[in-house]
Amino acid sequence: AQTVTQSQPEMSVQEAETVTLSCTYDTSESDYYLFWYKQPPSRQMILVIRQEAYKQQNATENRFSVNFQKAAKSFSLKISDSQLGDAAMYFCAYFRGEKLTFGTGTRLTIIP
Amino acid sequence: DVKVTQSSRYLVKRTGEKVFLECVQDMDHENMFWYRQDPGLGLRLIYFSYDVKMKEKGDIPEGYSVSREKKERFSLILESASTNQTSMYLCASSLGGLLNTEAFFGQGTRLTVV
Repeated sequence: AQTVTQSQPEMSVQEAETVTLSCTYDTSESDYYLFWYKQPPSRQMILVIRQEAYKQQNATENRFSVNFQKAAKSFSLKISDSQLGDAAMYFCAYFRGEKLTFGTGTRLTIIP
Repeated sequence: DVKVTQSSRYLVKRTGEKVFLECVQDMDHENMFWYRQDPGLGLRLIYFSYDVKMKEKGDIPEGYSVSREKKERFSLILESASTNQTSMYLCASSLGGLLNTEAFFGQGTRLTVV
């Protein structure tokens, strides 16, 4: 079974600074998708960014970017120019074969 | 916008009760999922369904069953609720197919079993 590991239960960053959240995963497959989801206090899960495993180029969405290292099975999220609205739980997720597997999450605090 | 609606935001039930958690999506999605979310454990997949009347066990199906009689509705059933089923339950749906992988979530049901 696939597993997704987020080794940082909590992180904090000063407003306007950059922070990187780590994620590793275990799979024997070569074709899959990886996601970062954000869950603010409202509890609504929001897709932040998606990466297709067959693409070598790292995905970016405005202030959010990933560092995808396929051989190392690593998928980190970088948030630049952190804002107060970025405070949330962040979940890394692996998708293949209609099944979406999540990590345990990282709680991100933004310090004003 | 895709909308995934869970019937209750908060629910309190007694031990031994039969509990139904309902989820409806309005975008004709093929796939629907039920997760439970617990602190330090992330989201764990209970069941998923890739078509009407089709279901697959996830990672923690024990104590739960599901029903998908119509494409838009996916129900999670706790046959006899127990206190260890106190949790946040999240429903999700996705279109299906390799190019349509994004899952959309409901706002969650916080279930307390007393």
